[in-house]
Amino acid sequence: DAKTTQPPSMDCAEGRAANLPCNHSTISGNEYVYWYRQIHSQGPQYIIHGLKNNETNEMASLIITEDRKSSTLILPHATLRDTAVYYCIVRPMNYGGATNKLIFGTGTLLAVQP
Amino acid sequence: DVKVTQSSRYLVKRTGEKVFLECVQDMDHENMFWYRQDPGLGLRLIYFSYDVKMKEKGDIPEGYSVSREKKERFSLILESASTNQTSMYLCASSLFGRGTDTQYFGPGTRLTVL
Repeated sequence: DAKTTQPPSMDCAEGRAANLPCNHSTISGNEYVYWYRQIHSQGPQYIIHGLKNNETNEMASLIITEDRKSSTLILPHATLRDTAVYYCIVRPMNYGGATNKLIFGTGTLLAVQP
Repeated sequence: DVKVTQSSRYLVKRTGEKVFLECVQDMDHENMFWYRQDPGLGLRLIYFSYDVKMKEKGDIPEGYSVSREKKERFSLILESASTNQTSMYLCASSLFGRGTDTQYFGPGTRLTVL
């Protein structure tokens, strides 16, 4: 998997938008950008993924730059329950087999403040 | 919504005991995974299964075995538990096939081996 770089921590005020950046300058054309988060002592939770277009779902928006070398996850109205470690992952298209394993980096600890 | 459940959230076992961790998913996914997560080491893949009775070793299979007798259920077995198997164990599932590969995780089992 291509390497990603994220800030180790960020703060956000409750009710405001949280913008989490991720650099993936070596991403290949067939690699997707995935975001997961992990609340303390719980299993990772899938948030969103994209290839080159911006994506939005009920949890978040994903903005991918035109050159695909970086992306931003946006939580539009952060709540205290959004406090978690957020992982940005670059993964190749699925061809089956154990190469499907996920590799998490160190992620960004987002602390939502009241 | 995809639901992945694990048999226990917390488990305490003694060295030498045989330990069974159960995982069930309700989305008819072909792929199922067992990971362990340790501080500073991230996620590590133990075993992977892409169909009933099919399995592949991950990065750290030593000391573990798995069983997949039904599509929805994937069991991890610690044949003789040791203290270095104290960890958070995470089960995940995903669809098999070309394209994106979103893995959905269970809540995790925190195993302590005394």
